[in-house]
Amino acid sequence: DQQVKQNSPSLSVQEGRISILNCDYTNSMFDYFLWYKKYPAEGPTFLISISSIKDKNEDGRFTVFLNKSAKHLSLHIVPSQPGDSAVYFCAASRGQGAQKLVFGQGTRLTINP
Amino acid sequence: NAGVTQTPKFQVLKTGQSMTLQCAQDMNHEYMSWYRQDPGMGLRLIHYSVGAGITDQGEVPNGYNVSRSTTEDFPLRLLSAAPSQTSVYFCASSLAGVPYSNQPQHFGDGTRLSIL
Repeated sequence: DQQVKQNSPSLSVQEGRISILNCDYTNSMFDYFLWYKKYPAEGPTFLISISSIKDKNEDGRFTVFLNKSAKHLSLHIVPSQPGDSAVYFCAASRGQGAQKLVFGQGTRLTINP
Repeated sequence: NAGVTQTPKFQVLKTGQSMTLQCAQDMNHEYMSWYRQDPGMGLRLIHYSVGAGITDQGEVPNGYNVSRSTTEDFPLRLLSAAPSQTSVYFCASSLAGVPYSNQPQHFGDGTRLSIL
């Protein structure tokens, strides 16, 4: 029973364009959502987060949008850069801030020059 | 800054062997956790600890033991290794969270474990 789903295993985007990564969740008790970025042979690194009391959070080139009614969140990267090529994981938690994370399967983003 | 350090980076075991995966953090974080990553399944929580002397089970705890005798260390023990435990294991730590606080977990670089 996958509570957090990333339905696109891979995404290819031209350098300079917008990358949009999507994530859906089923558990309405989740109240905190995070995006992690992972390079090969390294651990995931935190990118950006959003709490359920907000619908948007921005940090430089990265923006996360949360649609609670649709149980959907997305990560926008503008403009996309070659260094953004990585696997992106969406994660969710309930009631404890960023602990006890439930992860999606990940989306491999490739930025083409 | 070492952050979260995991050892070893790679290990091959035979079915039935036991071993301990080490995890240490130098950030004085209260919260530590272990995840495993399998192809197509993302990361799944095995065990976690909210402080020294306190541990609890995550989503996939069977076949694993943990203990937390110090704030810095959180070892994961495989009691009798099985091929189904072939995976990449990640340790993570964070400050104890309060709702809506931005205290993300910091991950180590992982231990790649193969059980033959």
